[in-house]
Amino acid sequence: AQSVAQPEDQVNVAEGNPLTVKCTYSVSGNPYLFWYVQYPNRGLQFLLKYITGDNLVKGSYGFEAEFNKSQTSFHLKKPSALVSDSALYFCAGENRDDKIIFGKGTRLHILP
Amino acid sequence: NAGVMQNPRHLVRRRGQEARLRCSPMKGHSHVYWYRQLPEEGLKFMVYLQKENIIDESGMPKERFSAEFPKEGPSILRIQQVVRGDSAAYFCASSAQGIGEQYFGPGTRLTVT
Repeated sequence: AQSVAQPEDQVNVAEGNPLTVKCTYSVSGNPYLFWYVQYPNRGLQFLLKYITGDNLVKGSYGFEAEFNKSQTSFHLKKPSALVSDSALYFCAGENRDDKIIFGKGTRLHILP
Repeated sequence: NAGVMQNPRHLVRRRGQEARLRCSPMKGHSHVYWYRQLPEEGLKFMVYLQKENIIDESGMPKERFSAEFPKEGPSILRIQQVVRGDSAAYFCASSAQGIGEQYFGPGTRLTVT
């Protein structure tokens, strides 16, 4: 069965420290991979995507993600966390049939 | 517990016609979100509604698009006078609260000919 896993329900990081939110996937073919962020009382906002090409993808708000095919991972990273980065983050994979599979989400807390 | 339901799954409209997309949230969910997906693009947020209220429509095109979530019945995304550029997959999601996991429907694929 195809799936996207976010193994951590919550991640706590001190402001200014680097952050990583983990995502692994099991999606057929060469999937497209995405990260979204959700702030309270808002819809999902697109952060970045991997379609093909360079394994390191840069996105909005200073976030980046690294596609690792051998580990089937697509971890979200940021070199220096801000308190305003505190939100719920979703990883998603899309196969060639346009089926979107979402992870459960990881709540990121940036501590001042 | 049935998941989020969307109908129709496929909708074909000629240019200038109206398209109505329906979304029934999961039982007990009062928050509904609509997204549009273009080929090789991610989901683009359109609108967020609670029962009888539009909370955030910052992603909705200013013209021809409207959404509602009445007290009874499904949420409706309405596109008037469709154009070819409206062809896309439209996904609905629901959640129990304004923050938390969203459950997605299977989507409606709109084709404008």
